[in-house]
Amino acid sequence: DQQVKQNSPSLSVQEGRISILNCDYTNSMFDYFLWYKKYPAEGPTFLISISSIKDKNEDGRFTVFLNKSAKHLSLHIVPSQPGDSAVYFCAAIPTGGGNKLTFGTGTQLKVEL
Amino acid sequence: NAGVTQNPKFQVLKTGQSMTLQCAQDMNHNSMYWYRQDPGMGLRLIYYSASEGTTDKGEVPNGYNVSRLNKREFSLRLESAAPSQTSVYFCASSEFRAGGGKGEAFFGQGTRLTVV
Repeated sequence: DQQVKQNSPSLSVQEGRISILNCDYTNSMFDYFLWYKKYPAEGPTFLISISSIKDKNEDGRFTVFLNKSAKHLSLHIVPSQPGDSAVYFCAAIPTGGGNKLTFGTGTQLKVEL
Repeated sequence: NAGVTQNPKFQVLKTGQSMTLQCAQDMNHNSMYWYRQDPGMGLRLIYYSASEGTTDKGEVPNGYNVSRLNKREFSLRLESAAPSQTSVYFCASSEFRAGGGKGEAFFGQGTRLTVV
């Protein structure tokens, strides 16, 4: 049972435009959410996070939005750059779950010139 | 700082062979993890160590054992490798933020294991 879902396996965006990556979750006990970026042959690297007490967190070109009632979060990248081309994983941590991450299946983002 | 270091980076095993994947972190984190990544499956937690001396099963622990050797090192052992264990293995470490807030995990570069 996939508790964190990323329904779009891939996304293609033009350089300079907005990239929107989506993530849905089913476990209402999740209270902390993270986005990771992964290049081929490397480990995932942390990008941005959000606590369930907030609905938005911004860090430079990256903004994460959380809609708790819909159990949905999204990552916005503005403007998109070719170096943003990577696989993006959504992850979640439940209340009392330490720092154990439950990951989505990932979305491959390709930013084209 | 090297962060999280994994060895080896690549390994080919025959079915039934055993091996240990090594992981060390230099960030003084209490918690360490082993994940595996398979196509279309994301990363799945194999085992977890909240602190030195403790280990817990994750989502997919069957066929694996772990040892938290000290605060820095967390090893993953395959006693009798099977083709289903062909995967990319990632070690990670994390710490709670000051004030008890949750913190992000830092990952190693991965070990690509093929079992034939």
